[in-house]
Amino acid sequence: QSVLTQPPSVSAAPGQKVTISCSGNTSNIKNNYVSWYQQLPGTAPKLLIYENNQRPSRIPDRFSGSKSGTSATLGITGLQTGDEADYYCGTWDSSLSGVVFGGGTKLTVL
Amino acid sequence: QVQLVQSGAEVKKPGASVKVSCKASGYTFTSYDINWVRQATGQGLEWMGWMNPNSGNTGYALKFQGRVTMTRDTSITTAYMELSSLTSEDTAVYYCARAPYTGSEETFDPWGQGTLVIVSS
Repeated sequence: QSVLTQPPSVSAAPGQKVTISCSGNTSNIKNNYVSWYQQLPGTAPKLLIYENNQRPSRIPDRFSGSKSGTSATLGITGLQTGDEADYYCGTWDSSLSGVVFGGGTKLTVL
Repeated sequence: QVQLVQSGAEVKKPGASVKVSCKASGYTFTSYDINWVRQATGQGLEWMGWMNPNSGNTGYALKFQGRVTMTRDTSITTAYMELSSLTSEDTAVYYCARAPYTGSEETFDPWGQGTLVIVSS
């Protein structure tokens, strides 16, 4: 299975806030940057957050990232139906000498 | 704008090889690594490796070492990923992605549109 652990699914109502967790270990998250990606149905992933908490200029500030120890979190406020997608965390794993991803979290906006 | 455009879908028989291309535009091709990530239907993302278009240096995920080759042609700003000894387990969408930030090997932006590779007898 995936090196990083994410919940398979989360849900919330429009306008509400949701958080998605990403759990790893000292070989990956604790000592390396974390990125987050959004994958809308049938499309390629898109970068949302890089270097734990940085947003590309095109990404609205409704999206935020944080990291503490061996876990990272993606936060989304003011949920919109257009936010329904799969979300993936990714980081470098020093033991594997490669990039590892979480298994993905499906966000449903009820 | 920065863009990565990949080649079209492929159907291959078990044991064959596939070569996917990734045409870069809108930036200096040799300045940023290109990574390859694949995704089986309904599954998550799986990193395959990286290539430095300037030097040609590569790094492959352990799972694919010996079976994957990443190359480039700087004259046409195109990166390639070739995967050999295909099995049905290799049926997936293959993405190329640029790594725009030095020291942030896990950051990929943008991604190509994806290339579907189907392995079937």
